[in-house]
Amino acid sequence: AQTVTQSQPEMSVQEAETVTLSCTYDTSESDYYLFWYKQPPSRQMILVIRQEAYKQQNATENRFSVNFQKAAKSFSLKISDSQLGDAAMYFCAYRVQKLVFGQGTRLTINP
Amino acid sequence: DAEITQSPRHKITETGRQVTLACHQTWNHNNMFWYRQDLGHGLRLIHYSYGVHDTNKGEVSDGYSVSRSNTEDLPLTLESAASSQTSVYFCASSESSASTDTQYFGPGTRLTVL
Repeated sequence: AQTVTQSQPEMSVQEAETVTLSCTYDTSESDYYLFWYKQPPSRQMILVIRQEAYKQQNATENRFSVNFQKAAKSFSLKISDSQLGDAAMYFCAYRVQKLVFGQGTRLTINP
Repeated sequence: DAEITQSPRHKITETGRQVTLACHQTWNHNNMFWYRQDLGHGLRLIHYSYGVHDTNKGEVSDGYSVSRSNTEDLPLTLESAASSQTSVYFCASSESSASTDTQYFGPGTRLTVL
C-alpha cells in the first residue's frame, strides 16, 4: 500500500526566513504525482505545488519550491521569505490512481 | 468563476439519524471525491465517482453512500450516523481520472454526531 509520512507534526519559522517541510512516501510505482496542499484556518484545501515523478527538475511556484529525490522517495517543500499568511497546515500527497495524504505539518510564522 | 461548494458548513445530529451532506461543483468536472479529515489521519477517501451514475468505494466507505445523478452534484449520505463519524468532510473534484490531474477541494463540512 502506498503511504505518505510527514515526520514533523509542527514547525515554526521567523517571518522572512526560509523553512523546509519534510515528506517521504512509499511506493512500488515508477510514474506518479506528488502534491503539497495548504490548509489555513478557514479549512479550505489549497494546492501549493505539484511534481511529476518523471521530471528531474524540481517544481517551483514563486516562493515555494520542492526538493524531489526519487530514489530516496523524498519530497520536501521549501518556503522562502516566509510570510504571516503562510501559517497553515501543510499536507503532502501522492497520487497514482487515488490521492493519498500525509498526516500534515502545522506551520507557525513568528513575527 | 467556477467553484465547488459544500452545505451545510456545520451540522450537529444524533446517533442513528440519516444525514446527507451536499457537494456542488460548477467546474463541469467528471470526477468527484469525498474525504474525511480526522486528527492524526490526514484526509482519507470515502467514495468517489468518475461520472454520472458511477460510484466507487474508497478507503473508509463503511456507513456511507453516494449517488451521482448529474455532473454537478455528489451528495454523501450517512445512513445511520455514529459517533465515530464525527469529522470534517471535504468534497473535491477533478477534470479527469488521470494521475496528472489536480483535485480542487470544497470548504469542508464539520459534522458532529452526539
